[in-house]
Amino acid sequence: EDKVVQSPLSLVVHEGDTVTLNCSYEVTNFRSLLWYKQEKKAPTFLFMLTSSGIEKKSGRLSSILDKKELFSILNITATQTGDSAIYLCAVVGGGADGLTFGKGTHLIIQP
Amino acid sequence: ETGVTQSPTHLIKTRGQQVTLRCSSQSGHNTVSWYQQALGQGPQFIFQYYREEENGRGNFPPRFSGLQFPNYSSELNVNALELDDSALYLCASSSGLNTETQYFGPGTRLLVL
Repeated sequence: EDKVVQSPLSLVVHEGDTVTLNCSYEVTNFRSLLWYKQEKKAPTFLFMLTSSGIEKKSGRLSSILDKKELFSILNITATQTGDSAIYLCAVVGGGADGLTFGKGTHLIIQP
Repeated sequence: ETGVTQSPTHLIKTRGQQVTLRCSSQSGHNTVSWYQQALGQGPQFIFQYYREEENGRGNFPPRFSGLQFPNYSSELNVNALELDDSALYLCASSSGLNTETQYFGPGTRLLVL
């Protein structure tokens, strides 16, 4: 059974801080790892990672995958209050089982 | 291009009742997946429909069933509701069996009393 573990489960930081969110996984026939941001209801796509060591960047957010150690990190620099959300990590395996999600990291940015 | 829509937005039911949730996929998408997200948890895969056929199923009992229509919209039906069915139900659409590029709808919040 595919499994995704995220840490920490919650995090409170001050505006301007840098945060690192962690995601470790076990999956049969790994295809990809995805990060989502969930503010109210619909998760919105951030990154898709398929290859080890290649950093993906979008503004202040970046993410990298380590397929040998089976984990990924999501970094957010110069955090803003608008970054407050639940960040979800999900993996895609070889079967028709949809996305397997972790529990998410609830990030709160204090002004 | 219209996004994924779901109805209703909120719903309150009592134990033992039946519920139907609806999802309209994004224009051009022929695959719909349904997820259950309990409070404090990540979404859990219920099942996926591709071209009107169930294409994959997660660890959910048979009282969770679905349909996909020729226009690729979809329904999730839950019979004999239990308190633990209270959750946010998300649907996601994609083109073909490309799980990686799913677009999520806003969800239906179901409360079972």
